[in-house]
Amino acid sequence: DVKVTQSSRYLVKRTGEKVFLECVQDMDHENMFWYRQDPGLGLRLIYFSYDVKMKEKGDIPEGYSVSREKKERFSLILESASTNQTSMYLCASSSTTGTGASPLHFGNGTRLTVT
Amino acid sequence: AQSVTQPDIHITVSEGASLELRCNYSYGATPYLFWYVQSPGQGLQLLLKYFSGDTLVQGIKGFEAEFKRSQSSFNLRKPSVHWSDAAEYFCAVGPGTGGYQKVTFGTGTKLQVIP
Repeated sequence: DVKVTQSSRYLVKRTGEKVFLECVQDMDHENMFWYRQDPGLGLRLIYFSYDVKMKEKGDIPEGYSVSREKKERFSLILESASTNQTSMYLCASSSTTGTGASPLHFGNGTRLTVT
Repeated sequence: AQSVTQPDIHITVSEGASLELRCNYSYGATPYLFWYVQSPGQGLQLLLKYFSGDTLVQGIKGFEAEFKRSQSSFNLRKPSVHWSDAAEYFCAVGPGTGGYQKVTFGTGTKLQVIP
């Protein structure tokens, strides 16, 4: 069974801090994603990566960056945290089928509060 | 651009009653369609997916969904709801070709089950 592990379940940071959210998957998936989940807005894609050292902007990349140095690990970085980045962050991974989108496997999420 | 609409923010059903959650999508070509479920405090779990073939697809936990191209819909159904089905449900759409992995989610429908 695919396992996607997010390093922290809850995180509290101060405005202006640099924040790292870590995600590891154990199924050798090519693709990894960071989503943000807010009530009434569903899931919004921040960044995704389809290969090591490759990254693509999603729908809401402003204020975020990512790093993928190893295939199994995908990090989300908040360069200078702000209160409007208080949210639930979900990491996901998927394999590449070559024919289109494949199902996402999600971690349990990191609830980040910026004060 | 692809998009998903879940018109019902919140639905309440009695245990044992039937359930239908609505999903309408917008996509220029053949899409891949998914339903995910999120229990409180958890990540999202795949319930079922439609890629091609039979338009009625079966998923886990007794759920099924029907793809109707003419109505751009992919509604989720269950004949008899159990209290453990209380959760939030997300419909999602992704590209059917090209290997491009971007998946767009709806805003979710929260299901409450009353005894």
